[in-house]
Amino acid sequence: GENVGLHLPTLSVQEGDNSIINCAYSNSASDYFIWYKQESGKGPQFIIDIRSNMDKRQGQRVTVLLNKTVKHLSLQIAATQPGDSAVYFCSIQGAQKLVFGQGTRLTINP
Amino acid sequence: NAGVTQTPKFQVLKTGQSMTLQCAQDMNHEYMSWYRQDPGMGLRLIHYSVGAGITDQGEVPNGYNVSRSTTEDFPLRLLSAAPSQTSVYFCASRSRGVEQYFGPGTRLTVT
Repeated sequence: GENVGLHLPTLSVQEGDNSIINCAYSNSASDYFIWYKQESGKGPQFIIDIRSNMDKRQGQRVTVLLNKTVKHLSLQIAATQPGDSAVYFCSIQGAQKLVFGQGTRLTINP
Repeated sequence: NAGVTQTPKFQVLKTGQSMTLQCAQDMNHEYMSWYRQDPGMGLRLIHYSVGAGITDQGEVPNGYNVSRSTTEDFPLRLLSAAPSQTSVYFCASRSRGVEQYFGPGTRLTVT
């Protein structure tokens, strides 16, 4: 089945810098990889997804990269802002189920 | 649209008590799921439903029951609460796309 992990439980960046959050997965035949953001005291919120037949997708200030050869997924946030402080989860959407990694807490230093 | 709503927001139970966590969505989504989130961990799937009348087990189903009598509602029942069920519970729904919409969560403490 799908299994998802994250490289670092915490990441601290300076405001205005770019953030890169990494994720590894194993044994997935899923079509979609998805990033969620969870602010303190709230439910996760969808950020961006990428299909397995793509290697890059861009959104507003975010870019997701998928390397299927090494089973690695990353989320890049450009010009990180205080509002980006949250826990970020990578996840795999299976046929019916969504499997989450453990999350990376992003902290922004002023 | 209200999106996904959950009640209650907080609950304290004694060991052995039963209760139902309510979840409702007004987006006419087919898929609904229940997750639990423990400190320092990602979300783990408890049960899910692909439509009214259809439910299935997720990763950690023991101690929980669900039913889906309508498209809108997907209640989660704790049969006999245990301290190991202390957690934050999230309900989510989605259409046939991949974006899941999560509720605000129910924080449950079992003493």
